[in-house]
Amino acid sequence: GENVEQHPSTLSVQEGDSAVIKCTYSDSASNYFPWYKQELGKRPQLIIDIRSNVGEKKDQRIAVTLNKTAKHFSLHITETQPEDSAVYFCAASMTAGGGNKLTFGTGTQLKVEL
Amino acid sequence: DVKVTQSSRYLVKRTGEKVFLECVQDMDHENMFWYRQDPGLGLRLIYFSYDVKMKEKGDIPEGYSVSREKKERFSLILESASTNQTSMYLCASKPDRAEQYFGPGTRLTVT
Repeated sequence: GENVEQHPSTLSVQEGDSAVIKCTYSDSASNYFPWYKQELGKRPQLIIDIRSNVGEKKDQRIAVTLNKTAKHFSLHITETQPEDSAVYFCAASMTAGGGNKLTFGTGTQLKVEL
Repeated sequence: DVKVTQSSRYLVKRTGEKVFLECVQDMDHENMFWYRQDPGLGLRLIYFSYDVKMKEKGDIPEGYSVSREKKERFSLILESASTNQTSMYLCASKPDRAEQYFGPGTRLTVT
């Protein structure tokens, strides 16, 4: 089955700096890669996703890049703000098939310091 | 507005008890999931269901079972709770080929 590895497990940046979180996946058939943000005490929520037919996607201060050959994808947050502090999870799945189940990475605790 | 609800936010049970965690979604989604979340281990899939009365094992099904008698409801059952099942349990639902939504979670403590 699919295996997703995520690094780093913790990341501390100064406000205004950029943050990068990296994930690798094992199953070359995976073609959908979402990123979830979980604030303290709250449920995970989708912040951005990318499908395998594109290499990069941006939404304001966040972007995701995908390298299918190397089987890795990354989340980039620019101009970080205190409200970006949260746990971020990457995930991978195949969009076809029953369940379309996501396999998650182990999470990155991002702390944005003032 | 998307809504996934779970029956309890906090639950305390004794070792050996039978425990039911309920999840309800009002979006007519085909797929529903149960995860447990533990520090450093991320979100691990216990069971999922892609249709009524259908269930599939996830990565860590041992000690759990599930029931999906109606499309909107997916139940997680701990037949005989043990202390190593103390965890945060998250339910989720999604339609095919679209975003997955999570419930608020149930923090279960087994003493």
